Amino acid sequence: RKEVEQDPGPFNVPEGATVAFNCTYSNSASQSFFWYRQDCRKEPKLLMSVYSSGNEDGRFTAQLNRASQYISLLIRDSKLSDSATYLCVVTAYNTDKLIFGTGTRLQVFP
Amino acid sequence: DVKVTQSSRYLVKRTGEKVFLECVQDMDHENMFWYRQDPGLGLRLIYFSYDVKMKEKGDIPEGYSVSREKKERFSLILESASTNQTSMYLCASSLSGGLSDRWPQHFGDGTRLSIL
Repeated sequence: RKEVEQDPGPFNVPEGATVAFNCTYSNSASQSFFWYRQDCRKEPKLLMSVYSSGNEDGRFTAQLNRASQYISLLIRDSKLSDSATYLCVVTAYNTDKLIFGTGTRLQVFP
Repeated sequence: DVKVTQSSRYLVKRTGEKVFLECVQDMDHENMFWYRQDPGLGLRLIYFSYDVKMKEKGDIPEGYSVSREKKERFSLILESASTNQTSMYLCASSLSGGLSDRWPQHFGDGTRLSIL
């Protein structure tokens, strides 16, 4: 079983739609959780962290469910510029190493 | 702004060659990382370094070595390149103790390496 699993997609949604991605992780000792965004042929960049209480940044909402070991990303009012691959990322326990999921591709169409 | 610079965007080498990929960061970060990214496999950690002259194996270190003689520079070495090392290579850096979003990993633009 992979340490971090994501649905690869692609998710094809119209502008203005709401879309949600889930990600599961296998190590219950994982401490920190992130969503990174990667545009085609570009490097990954931090989108947002995921806190236990859930957190929001504009149109983006991230949630963590430790009991079920999954995190989610919700994007409201999708824009064309949201088209990218979204990487679920987990830190290994007591280390600065990041474990990446393989990513979920989002394509927003007009 | 953090800048992580990789020496080449595209590189073509031959089987058996010794290949050096260079990475430099300008933010005095303690941690540096080398990943490779392949379709369907995501980013996989090759090696990382917590400090000068310190290195630790990641998940797929076979066929690679690294060098960190100065804090700002982390080199990845393919001792004898093989075709299965054709990939996108990404370097990243971060502050240590980075278990929070205050210290994310910052990535370079990547080097697309082809081994013929």
